[in-house]
Amino acid sequence: DTAVSQTPKYLVTQMGNDKSIKCEQNLGHDTMYWYKQDSKKFLKIMFSYNNKELIINETVPNRFSPKSPDKAHLNLHINSLELGDSAVYFCASSQLVQGGSQGYNEQFFGPGTRLTVL
Amino acid sequence: ELKVEQNPLFLSMQEGKNYTIYCNYSTTSDRLYWYRQDPGKSLESLFVLLSNGAVKQEGRLMASLDTKARLSTLHITAAVHDLSATYFCAVDISWNSGNTPLVFGKGTRLSVIA
Repeated sequence: DTAVSQTPKYLVTQMGNDKSIKCEQNLGHDTMYWYKQDSKKFLKIMFSYNNKELIINETVPNRFSPKSPDKAHLNLHINSLELGDSAVYFCASSQLVQGGSQGYNEQFFGPGTRLTVL
Repeated sequence: ELKVEQNPLFLSMQEGKNYTIYCNYSTTSDRLYWYRQDPGKSLESLFVLLSNGAVKQEGRLMASLDTKARLSTLHITAAVHDLSATYFCAVDISWNSGNTPLVFGKGTRLSVIA
């Protein structure tokens, strides 16, 4: 009954390789995200997908490309891996909740994928 | 550009003591989120604060929001070892567009010692 799942949990690879990380959510949410957490634990948004359209793309190298085959999946593909790509990558999903004068956008996170580039 | 600042970044507290973590943000927002992260684990949602003056409590943790001061606090009462974790605040600013990413503070690493 996992809400947001990611595979693999650990990924160790050589520089220059291409790799993918998969993410699936069974919450029925409309939007999915990829965040990167660096060695100092700082979390930063990479991509956001809403209804299969990319709606926000931060200044991320174009070696990174999100792919969403359907609303429940957002995969992250990385080309030509570099040492600096080593980090923990978190997938998240959300559904805007509207009510009263305020809507909110609580995000639910996957378990993370620890990527190590050697 | 929205900036979210937390302090302190590191906090070592004795069991049974009280302390407050502060979260300041740079632009107008009525929605603030607190998350907890245990070492090597994912982020767990703790609180969603939606309006000025909002206060929420869960166990020994209480969060509040002052939108005029652009400040949220996370107060810890009578700390216990199980509260040791990293606590993040986060803000999103554009709910009218439907969905936006969160901008996170750098996190406060809390260590509760006997």
